[in-house]
Amino acid sequence: DGGITQSPKYLFRKEGQNVTLSCEQNLNHDAMYWYRQDPGQGLRLIYYSQIVNDFQKGDIAEGYSVSREKKESFPLTVTSAQKNPTAFYLCASLRTGWSHTEAFFGQGTRLTVV
Amino acid sequence: AQSVAQPEDQVNVAEGNPLTVKCTYSVSGNPYLFWYVQYPNRGLQFLLKYITGDNLVKGSYGFEAEFNKSQTSFHLKKPSALVSDSALYFCAVRDYRETYNTNAGKSTFGDGTTLTVKP
Repeated sequence: DGGITQSPKYLFRKEGQNVTLSCEQNLNHDAMYWYRQDPGQGLRLIYYSQIVNDFQKGDIAEGYSVSREKKESFPLTVTSAQKNPTAFYLCASLRTGWSHTEAFFGQGTRLTVV
Repeated sequence: AQSVAQPEDQVNVAEGNPLTVKCTYSVSGNPYLFWYVQYPNRGLQFLLKYITGDNLVKGSYGFEAEFNKSQTSFHLKKPSALVSDSALYFCAVRDYRETYNTNAGKSTFGDGTTLTVKP
């Protein structure tokens, strides 16, 4: 089955630690996205990548970093510089050049800072 | 710049009644419009989209949406609601012109509307 997989589903982090959220897709999609979801605020774009070895900041990139070494993988690191990291994080993918198609989403990772 | 507004945080309907979840948008060019549904602690699932053609678009689970260019709206509708339709619904917009630049595929989402269908 083709799809997009996020892991872990739940993640707990101590203050001051970096953590990395995994996102893998086997849909052969070029573009991948990371969103943050907070109650009442919808989805906010953190980072996106149109192609391997390239990525762009979204609307709320501060305190986050990404890499795109492989087409299938787009991990997100939440650094200690992110002041309020507790949130639900969603990864999505899309075929570049087909902007009329819908995005495919992973099941999300809920990050809690303890 | 593109934007989406979902004016209602919450919509409550009785099972069997029709439902409407509202969405208005703003883009510089022609819009691609999408509706997604999210169940608790899950990712978003695609429901339907408007690209071009008929203003009434039919999608999954009996949902449909009507594109109204003059009112810049794309309201989600269903003739008869089910309790299982209770979820969080997101409207999203993408500018058609983004097909041709490096930002192709960047969508803007509304803040979401919680639909509750009571038995």
